[in-house]
Amino acid sequence: EAGVAQSPRYKIIEKRQSVAFWCNPISGHATLYWYQQILGQGPKLLIQFQNNGVVDDSQLPKDRFSAERLKGVDSTLKIQPAKLEDSAVYLCASSVLQGNTEAFFGQGTRLTVV
Amino acid sequence: KQEVTQIPAALSVPEGENLVLNCSFTDSAIYNLQWFRQDPGKGLTSLLLIQSSQREQTSGRLNASLDKSSGRSTLYIAASQPGDSATYLCAVRPGYSSASKIIFGSGTRLSIRP
Repeated sequence: EAGVAQSPRYKIIEKRQSVAFWCNPISGHATLYWYQQILGQGPKLLIQFQNNGVVDDSQLPKDRFSAERLKGVDSTLKIQPAKLEDSAVYLCASSVLQGNTEAFFGQGTRLTVV
Repeated sequence: KQEVTQIPAALSVPEGENLVLNCSFTDSAIYNLQWFRQDPGKGLTSLLLIQSSQREQTSGRLNASLDKSSGRSTLYIAASQPGDSATYLCAVRPGYSSASKIIFGSGTRLSIRP
């Protein structure tokens, strides 16, 4: 079974530029999460999708961050414009909706804003 | 509001020792609890998932316990090896829904000395 795929692995941009990350969850997983992990901290949820609907985006900085999951499969997370404090690892995870809802994570995208 | 705490933030032990990592959570109403391992620059690898109705789970040299009433979980690592060096993260899915978001602790950075 293929895992959660994320791209790119690394990205360096200047502040005020825009950037987009892509995630392909495990096939059949209805729930998809985007987490932000700042160095030395635990991951913080940015947004959670159930199929193509948003379940929780309470911690998403909506003035600059946006995410979509149009067909209930792949998802993209965008930052526009980026700030220095957005430097972090962006993790995508997926899980099934019922029963054993073990979450599986991708390798993450390490973003550096200079 | 559910909060997850992991103490200590860092731990160093000599190879071969048995060790325990601690996780505490403020609200005993949880759906499940998951332990992850994170190597530097990498994503999260799921180690063990404990459902709300379970007391413990075992996988190889790892054993995780759950005591909901006291809001605690422990991850026991037997006969530690240098390859066990990593950051260990505890994550709680709060409430009674399989679709609730996952909340992470800040992790314990484990170093096993040869």
